[in-house]
Amino acid sequence: DIQMTQSPSTLSASVGDRVTITCRASQSISSWLAWYQQKPGKAPKLLIYKASSLESGVPSRFSGSESGTEFTLTISTLQPDDFATYHCQQYKSYPLTFGGGTKVEIK
Amino acid sequence: EVQLLESGGDLVQPGGSLRLSCAASGFTFSSYAMSWVRQAPGKGLEWLSTITGAGDSTYYADSVKGRFTISRDNSKNTLFLQMNSLRAEDTAVYYCAKDAIPGVTTGTRSDYWGQGTLVTVSS
Repeated sequence: DIQMTQSPSTLSASVGDRVTITCRASQSISSWLAWYQQKPGKAPKLLIYKASSLESGVPSRFSGSESGTEFTLTISTLQPDDFATYHCQQYKSYPLTFGGGTKVEIK
Repeated sequence: EVQLLESGGDLVQPGGSLRLSCAASGFTFSSYAMSWVRQAPGKGLEWLSTITGAGDSTYYADSVKGRFTISRDNSKNTLFLQMNSLRAEDTAVYYCAKDAIPGVTTGTRSDYWGQGTLVTVSS
């Protein structure tokens, strides 16, 4: 099984900050990685797919990148609506696996 | 508009069974693989199972293999999860999710999710 290690587990930031979240795969997943945003009591929302493709309707301040088996979600200028938990997911092969999540909190 | 509406969550005793449903609308249901994903209280997301659009292939996480069964009724646009031999660690919110790309059988991202249904396993 492919393990996804996400860091940090919690991140404190202020509105306007640049935020970076990392996800590392235990083996090559090519670019088959998605990022989701989840707010308390709500379902996850797809933000990024294929490591760097922005889902329709998602603000351009969100971006994804990859370097080997390390993937990064960047929020260029943190907005009040962005305080949430972010999850990465590999879909290279079954079983599909998620990272442990990163909670972005208000500093 | 794509809508996914889960139902069937309940309080059940350890060893019991439960059947979850996910009613889908707003897209050609039979063209898309569908998945179940759960989230235990305060924890991350855990993929459980995926079924192809035609229902001819299914995939399971080791944690539920042999206990849970995914199925679908394309005539009723409904996805199911039959859960048997439930354990306390199965307590979670269960989400159904739609694959983003029609006809994919190798796994892909999920672009729509239901609101979730809570399953509590406790005596």
